[in-house]
Amino acid sequence: GESVGLHLPTLSVQEGDNSIINCAYSNSASDYFIWYKQESGKGPQFIIDIRSNMDKRQGQRVTVLLNKTVKHLSLQIAATQPGDSAVYFCAEEGGSNYKLTFGKGTLLTVNP
Amino acid sequence: DTGVSQDPRHKITKRGQNVTFRCDPISEHNRLYWYRQTLGQGPEFLTYFQNEAQLEKSRLLSDRFSAERPKGSFSTLEIQRTEQGDSAMYLCASSPLTSRSLYFGPGTRLTVL
Repeated sequence: GESVGLHLPTLSVQEGDNSIINCAYSNSASDYFIWYKQESGKGPQFIIDIRSNMDKRQGQRVTVLLNKTVKHLSLQIAATQPGDSAVYFCAEEGGSNYKLTFGKGTLLTVNP
Repeated sequence: DTGVSQDPRHKITKRGQNVTFRCDPISEHNRLYWYRQTLGQGPEFLTYFQNEAQLEKSRLLSDRFSAERPKGSFSTLEIQRTEQGDSAMYLCASSPLTSRSLYFGPGTRLTVL
């Protein structure tokens, strides 16, 4: 069935290193993708989004890459900080009513 | 704070009881969504409102679940005859018509004993 999933459930990095979180999606009709950050006990927080007519989008310390050929999405975090420790979800949208379909999440742990 | 707010933040109830949660979206956001999240999983869509109209409901939303948004502003989610399987985080999100990204509230964590 159609789904959004993540390659790695956990990722541990050293402070200052760059982090890359990957996501695969299977719905070729999806044309909008978002990365969310969720800290323990809180709701998901918007990080960055990208439309399917783009391959790359940059924000502050974050970059999202979209490869439509292989249906792959990645989130790159530069100079990872302890405050970046959280669960990261990718989500896709391409159907009706702008509702998002979420993947399972990757736990990022930043070691000082 | 002008973000999405939810009340209560935590709810513990006994099996069989009814519970009601409230969501106040960001002002002037026309779209309002309810999601459910269990431990280690991503949020799952439950239902969607555009203004006061409930336009879509997930198959996850059994007959025991009902949601309303009577005036197109705040919304309530009621669960009747709660079951232990209803234990989860219930998230509300809102979005303006001009955006495709959803802004989530802090959630209501429900524990059914």
